[in-house]
Amino acid sequence: EVQLLESGGGLVQPGGSLRLSCAASGFTFSNYAMAWVRQAPGKGLEWVSNIDGNAGATYYADSVKGRFTISRDNSRNTLYLQMNSLRAEDTALYYCAKRIGGSGYTNYFDYWGQGTLVTVSS
Amino acid sequence: EIVMTQSPATLSVSPGERATLSCRASQSVSSHLAWYQQKPGQAPRLLMYGASTRATGIPARFSGSGSATDFTLTISSLQSEDFAVYYCQQYNDWPLTFGGGTKVEI
Repeated sequence: EVQLLESGGGLVQPGGSLRLSCAASGFTFSNYAMAWVRQAPGKGLEWVSNIDGNAGATYYADSVKGRFTISRDNSRNTLYLQMNSLRAEDTALYYCAKRIGGSGYTNYFDYWGQGTLVTVSS
Repeated sequence: EIVMTQSPATLSVSPGERATLSCRASQSVSSHLAWYQQKPGQAPRLLMYGASTRATGIPARFSGSGSATDFTLTISSLQSEDFAVYYCQQYNDWPLTFGGGTKVEI
């Protein structure tokens, strides 16, 4: 059974940093691209970042580019999101999501974690 | 950036009725369109991909259609468990973008 368990959220002051983790199990982690998707309270979904299975290619939303860094440790089956220079508008529930397998146009997500809440406030 | 616009924002439907949700892209996304369902307090669940292919375990009452810029998700006969928020997502180009969602309520 695929499981994705996020951790690392919490309350942080504007300008601060936080590192999110997502522990994956139930599938061969290194074979799949992974993503972070966030949802501000009461709002819709916003894609944040993707990373390929071999950690070779990364992609970012303009809203986080230069401030957030996605990475993964395939030996630990763990996905990360390093968030720096945090702003109030980064307040959201951050989901870890698994991209489906295959090549080509496949950037949609078949499994999601339950999310970890990040609150940016003074 | 491809902007995804969903309508209506809220759809009021009775159980057993048909629901039709719309998703429009600001430019062509071919058939690279997915639909997700999200219930309160839960993570999104993949319903449809390739605009019209049901994901594993999704009931046949869910169907998708469309291509290029106009897409539709139809729920043929609403069950109590179908009341939720539905999002479309394009994966034709970076950045990946979601629609604002349609809430299907009783």
